Amino acid sequence: GAVVSQHPSRVICKSGTSVKIECRSLDFQATTMFWYRQFPKQSLMLMATSNEGSKATYEQGVEKDKFLINHASLTLSTLTVTSAHPEDSSFYICSASKGDMEKLFFGSGTQLSVL
Amino acid sequence: LAKTTQPISMDSYEGQEVNITCSHNNIATNDYITWYQQFPSQGPRFIIQGYKTKVTNEVASLFIPADRKSSTLSLPRVSLSDTAVYYCLVGDAVRNSGYALNFGKGTSLLVTP
Repeated sequence: GAVVSQHPSRVICKSGTSVKIECRSLDFQATTMFWYRQFPKQSLMLMATSNEGSKATYEQGVEKDKFLINHASLTLSTLTVTSAHPEDSSFYICSASKGDMEKLFFGSGTQLSVL
Repeated sequence: LAKTTQPISMDSYEGQEVNITCSHNNIATNDYITWYQQFPSQGPRFIIQGYKTKVTNEVASLFIPADRKSSTLSLPRVSLSDTAVYYCLVGDAVRNSGYALNFGKGTSLLVTP
């Protein structure tokens, strides 16, 4: 099967600092990766689509300068939450596609807590 | 992308068969139907995917009627560990526009002894 690794699983940071979350496809090349956020007892909300070697496409209402996405290789995408604030506290999840299949493979998620 | 509607929650006892139905009235010709399972504080996990008729794997079955306006995920003989949220997603494969990316509210399944 396809494995997507996401790190860190949990991070606590002070308000105003930046946090980087990594998403790696371990056994396949992912031309496209997706970033979601999920608040407690709510569904996943798509934040952005990340394509290798090009700029990410952000969903409406998601600040691209706040959530920096870099997809530098076919196996790695990173999400950086810049100048984090308490309202950014959430569960962030990445997913990857093999490209020729419709199903997505998800990372285990990152719980971000901003104090 | 096609909008989906599922029951918010379902309850079941261990050992029973659970059927979760998802409505997707405006499904497009190229759309596939995919179901995911999510446990608390984890990323979703792929369960099953289908286009039409019936699909079965080691975990579940997926029934899709001829008009494809709905689909039913069937979990045989559920156990306590099947307690999770189940999401039905519908997406376009051919246009490669991001497949089924928009998660609805999902169905929260609670299995009790």
